[in-house]
Amino acid sequence: EAGVVQSPRYKIIEKKQPVAFWCNPISGHNTLYWYLQNLGQGPELLIRYENEEAVDDSQLPKDRFSAERLKGVDSTLKIQPAELGDSAVYLCASSLRGYNEQFFGPGTRLTVL
Amino acid sequence: AQTVTQSQPEMSVQEAETVTLSCTYDTSESDYYLFWYKQPPSRQMILVIRQEAYKQQNATENRFSVNFQKAAKSFSLKISDSQLGDAAMYFCASKTQGAQKLVFGQGTRLTINP
Repeated sequence: EAGVVQSPRYKIIEKKQPVAFWCNPISGHNTLYWYLQNLGQGPELLIRYENEEAVDDSQLPKDRFSAERLKGVDSTLKIQPAELGDSAVYLCASSLRGYNEQFFGPGTRLTVL
Repeated sequence: AQTVTQSQPEMSVQEAETVTLSCTYDTSESDYYLFWYKQPPSRQMILVIRQEAYKQQNATENRFSVNFQKAAKSFSLKISDSQLGDAAMYFCASKTQGAQKLVFGQGTRLTINP
């Protein structure tokens, strides 16, 4: 069974440029999470989807970040415009609703110059 | 609000020895779950072990076991017979039934000395 897939693995951009990350969850998983992991810290939740509905986006900086999960499967996280402080690892995870275990993808390491 | 604290930024152990990683947490909810995740340099978070708060018995997964002290809000991870492949960042995390999100600690970097 394929795990959570994320792309790209690495992205280097200049500040003020837009960037997008893509996540494909494990087949059948209706809950999808985006986490932000700053260097040397644990991940923090940005947004959680139940199917196509964003049910917890309280930590998402909505002035520059946006996310979508069309059709309740793949998801895209976008930053526009990127700032130096956005350099971090962006992790995607998925789970079955009601189950406690979250399965993580390999993450995207973003570097903003 | 949930908080998770790992007070050991780094730990090291000799191969084949036993090491214990510490974690304390705080939550006002009675229904919650605790986890230890491993993150190697590849960045993929891998679930090591989990504990349901309502269970008194400590969880065990092969060489990994936990010491869950509910009253003290402590959740330590013991790794027995350490192997070189155990070297990674280890994160303690909690999740409540209501919030449905994982709250992570700051992590402990574990080094295995051959």
